[in-house]
Amino acid sequence: SQTIHQWPATLVQPVGSPLSLECTVEGTSNPNLYWYRQAAGRGLQLLFYSVGIGQISSEVPQNLSASRPQDRQFILSSKKLLLSDSGFYLCAWVTSGGINEQFFGPGTRLTVL
Amino acid sequence: AQSVAQPEDQVNVAEGNPLTVKCTYSVSGNPYLFWYVQYPNRGLQFLLKYITGDNLVKGSYGFEAEFNKSQTSFHLKKPSALVSDSALYFCAVSGWSSASKIIFGSGTRLSIRP
Repeated sequence: SQTIHQWPATLVQPVGSPLSLECTVEGTSNPNLYWYRQAAGRGLQLLFYSVGIGQISSEVPQNLSASRPQDRQFILSSKKLLLSDSGFYLCAWVTSGGINEQFFGPGTRLTVL
Repeated sequence: AQSVAQPEDQVNVAEGNPLTVKCTYSVSGNPYLFWYVQYPNRGLQFLLKYITGDNLVKGSYGFEAEFNKSQTSFHLKKPSALVSDSALYFCAVSGWSSASKIIFGSGTRLSIRP
């Protein structure tokens, strides 16, 4: 069966520090991968999505970046965090080549102080 | 461009009563529509989807949704609400391409009172 992991689960970082959040998927190959940010328990903002290794589409210009070094690994990064980067970050995957529902990871709660 | 709207921030229903959570969408071509539920500090869980076929879709936990093409709506329904249904509900839409973005609504908080 497929599973999706995110770590860390929670993170408290000072303004200006770097960030690296990792998402890995098991039990599937060539998934489409997504990073979302959710602020204050409300709507999801699509940040990045990837349809393959090294292929990243950015939805919102900001100080975040994403990379997909392996088929089932998706990394969200920042060189210098801002206060506004605080939120709940969710990774999701969907089987490519079909119209299927997304499966979400447990999320990472990031607090920037 | 794809978009989805959930016009109600919050819906309050008494336990045992029917519930409806509204969703309208805009997309070029045929829409693919989804409902998800989120419990506190958790990721989203899939409830149901509409791809094609019967306009009434049945999903998990007794939920169903009705696709209405003329009204571009995909409202979530349940005949008899449970207190445990209290959560945040998201509608989502994508287009025809398998690499298409999946766009989520702003969410509706459903509160079921005993």
